[in-house]
Amino acid sequence: DTGVSQNPRHKITKRGQNVTFRCDPISEHNRLYWYRQTLGQGPEFLTYFQNEAQLEKSRLLSDRFSAERPKGSFSTLEIQRTEQGDSAMYLCASSLRAGAVGDTQYFGPGTRLTVL
Amino acid sequence: GQNIDQPTEMTATEGAIVQINCTYQTSGFNGLFWYQQHAGEAPTFLSYNVLDGLEEKGRFSSFLSRSKGYSYLLLKELQMKDSASYLCAVYSNSGYALNFGKGTSLLVTP
Repeated sequence: DTGVSQNPRHKITKRGQNVTFRCDPISEHNRLYWYRQTLGQGPEFLTYFQNEAQLEKSRLLSDRFSAERPKGSFSTLEIQRTEQGDSAMYLCASSLRAGAVGDTQYFGPGTRLTVL
Repeated sequence: GQNIDQPTEMTATEGAIVQINCTYQTSGFNGLFWYQQHAGEAPTFLSYNVLDGLEEKGRFSSFLSRSKGYSYLLLKELQMKDSASYLCAVYSNSGYALNFGKGTSLLVTP
């Protein structure tokens, strides 16, 4: 399997609990992105890694959210003290910057979070 | 900021041609993407335009006019499986993240 994978695919949790999602990018891709998507909306950017360095964070990424990519391969996204407003599809994407424009991002299947 | 506008919904008949428009406003332009997203699935890449003109790829074509801040996705010989949401996206000012429109939900009917 050469695509982006995400685990778990679905997560149901109670308000106030912590959750962690994992993303495994396409193996040779050095760029990794997290997005959030709610029903009827396009994906919204959360954060971006180049190798292990987190280079950009959206203002949507409150202090309850943290993302890591410790070895420049897989990444985790943790949400602490979940709120009902955190319910969404969390999408991971990866890309390989080849030095030219058009750095295509390839998306994983997403983790659907439901906060009760 | 950036503003990306697409029609919310469109309906077309199997075998027909449909054009999905996208307008954008951005301070710096580094390219425009079209993605297809079936319900409950991940967005899949369709096309990328950075220069003006038409890019053709099988049944799908994408057009860009940078001076007008305008793009369209043209789908020919529509099939039932083309029923999906079509997302237009441009690079953010940082050049890394993509800013997406809300998507156009296309329904193909028999």
